[in-house]
Amino acid sequence: DAGVTQSPTHLIKTRGQQVTLRCSPKSGHDTVSWYQQALGQGPQFIFQYYEEEERQRGNFPDRFSGHQFPNYSSELNVNALLLGDSALYLCASSLVGTGVHEQYFGPGTRLTVT
Amino acid sequence: DQQVKQNSPSLSVQEGRISILNCDYTNSMFDYFLWYKKYPAEGPTFLISISSIKDKNEDGRFTVFLNKSAKHLSLHIVPSQPGDSAVYFCAAKEGSNYKLTFGKGTLLTVNP
Repeated sequence: DAGVTQSPTHLIKTRGQQVTLRCSPKSGHDTVSWYQQALGQGPQFIFQYYEEEERQRGNFPDRFSGHQFPNYSSELNVNALLLGDSALYLCASSLVGTGVHEQYFGPGTRLTVT
Repeated sequence: DQQVKQNSPSLSVQEGRISILNCDYTNSMFDYFLWYKKYPAEGPTFLISISSIKDKNEDGRFTVFLNKSAKHLSLHIVPSQPGDSAVYFCAAKEGSNYKLTFGKGTLLTVNP
């Protein structure tokens, strides 16, 4: 049973560009959350998707957007990249109605903006 | 404004001894707390949690203590093993909110 998978593993982009990160949830899960972990910081909640809708959003600008597909996989899009967007982006999946402790994290995508 | 604080960036202990990791929070609306362990190149993995209606929760070698009046929680690992070496994150949740608020983490090193 595959856990949460994310692609790509690493990515280098230039300021001003756009990036798309992908996440496949753990089998049987239907909810996906995205977190940004800057160097030396803890993960920060970006948003959560359920039933293809954004259900809650953290304190991130509109440059950060997402999508969830019918197969529950998800994408995180970041437009007009800034140097400060360099971070590890973590995806976490869960099954609606289960406890938050049953949320599983993927290994993350390391984004570097130059 | 950091609502969950882990003031010790690192901790080093000897194998077999107790490891105590601390976490403070400022938001009195937090009612559920979790500890995650993170190895390099892996995502955080859930370790143990505690509801605000309890003051202690135990799972094998891991015990979490919650002091609501002090807005403080701690994770005790006894006995510590070299495989416990990792970054430990404290996280908190408020009510029916889906968001987890994390601390900055503490790097635990258990020396053989």
